[in-house]
Amino acid sequence: DGGITQSPKYLFRKEGQNVTLSCEQNLNHDAMYWYRQDPGQGLRLIYYSQIVNDFQKGDIAEGYSVSREKKESFPLTVTSAQKNPTAFYLCATRDTNTDTQYFGPGTRLTVL
Amino acid sequence: DAKTTQPPSMDCAEGRAANLPCNHSTISGNEYVYWYRQIHSQGPQYIIHGLKNNETNEMASLIITEDRKSSTLILPHATLRDTAVYYCIVRAHTGANSKLTFGKGITLSVRP
Repeated sequence: DGGITQSPKYLFRKEGQNVTLSCEQNLNHDAMYWYRQDPGQGLRLIYYSQIVNDFQKGDIAEGYSVSREKKESFPLTVTSAQKNPTAFYLCATRDTNTDTQYFGPGTRLTVL
Repeated sequence: DAKTTQPPSMDCAEGRAANLPCNHSTISGNEYVYWYRQIHSQGPQYIIHGLKNNETNEMASLIITEDRKSSTLILPHATLRDTAVYYCIVRAHTGANSKLTFGKGITLSVRP
């Protein structure tokens, strides 16, 4: 969706390094989400934030951390504690009026 | 959320209508039918959603049967760029703490 940007599009990381994925939105949506998608599999929720300065763990939060200091931004840090970090990471926002989630273009992380 | 069943794949000719079916026989009265699509290596794109009435927007039409146990997404004039995996999801509006769950979806191939 044009209102959600994720950077970088591709990211390579060495084992043992932390890396931060960016997610920015100009849709003025309160809620933001991070999902992980592995080949041939569905989405798995990592973290979500309903409002600034608040966030909740999803189903697979171990090895990840987030912050929500601004409404527009919800960065995800993949730490060295994440055992299988290679995946496609998707950020989403939620339109409160329609309860519809919109996705960014994704970041493909590869651990070398 | 109710379970959905979609055929694994279908194809159609460019310029013709693509009718993508979805069964959701266990849908509850407060659950909506959502459609997303995902083009290879991109983030999922929201297409349309509805509760019981047929819906149309600039991308597609959604036809929901009277008993709400099945629905059809119609792309009226398919183009090569519509080749993607299409996901039918049934979910209630539960607020910001709700996560999206994609099944395997249906792979639509549009042929020249």
